[in-house]
Amino acid sequence: DAGVIQSPRHEVTEMGQEVTLRCKPISGHDYLFWYRQTMMRGLELLIYFNNNVPIDDSGMPEDRFSAKMPNASFSTLKIQPSEPRDSAVYFCASSPTYYGYTFGSGTRLTVV
Amino acid sequence: GQQLNQSPQSMFIQEGEDVSMNCTSSSIFNTWLWYKQDPGEGPVLLIALYKAGELTSNGRLTAQFGITRKDSFLNISASIPSDVGIYFCAGQLDSGYALNFGKGTSLLVTP
Repeated sequence: DAGVIQSPRHEVTEMGQEVTLRCKPISGHDYLFWYRQTMMRGLELLIYFNNNVPIDDSGMPEDRFSAKMPNASFSTLKIQPSEPRDSAVYFCASSPTYYGYTFGSGTRLTVV
Repeated sequence: GQQLNQSPQSMFIQEGEDVSMNCTSSSIFNTWLWYKQDPGEGPVLLIALYKAGELTSNGRLTAQFGITRKDSFLNISASIPSDVGIYFCAGQLDSGYALNFGKGTSLLVTP
């Protein structure tokens, strides 16, 4: 099992550009979560899916953020336009149940 | 999400010492979990607790689910250098809710 796979591992972009983060969950896991980690706020839940359907997106900061899960093996988190305050490590996690997540290695996003 | 207060924020200890950290909440949780994060990686699940009063061990790690269901602690015995990392507590209110994470305890172990 390859675990949860995220890409890219690092992303540096200029303010105003569109950023797309990608996640491949573990096969058979019904839940997929997107978290953001910063020093100030720790791990924050942005959105989660169950069977590809968004269940709770109340953690999405604003309309600049959007997430999709077109099928059971792929999800994207998009930021458009990006701002410096979006700089953080973004984690994807998947789970066969509601707890015991398996996290990916994260995408470190830097917006300059 | 619900606020979890994790302490201490950081610990700097010598190899062989025991470590204790805890997590409290103003709300009741039905599940408590402890994760460890190594630099440049995502958090990895260490121990999961599902019942108030439950005491569970995983090697040198021991965690307990508080009786009030509002707290949990994690102990590490005889620390070793590879214990270095950030330890997070996480609580789940009930089925249908995502995990809420504490801010983490950063552990440094000197040989």
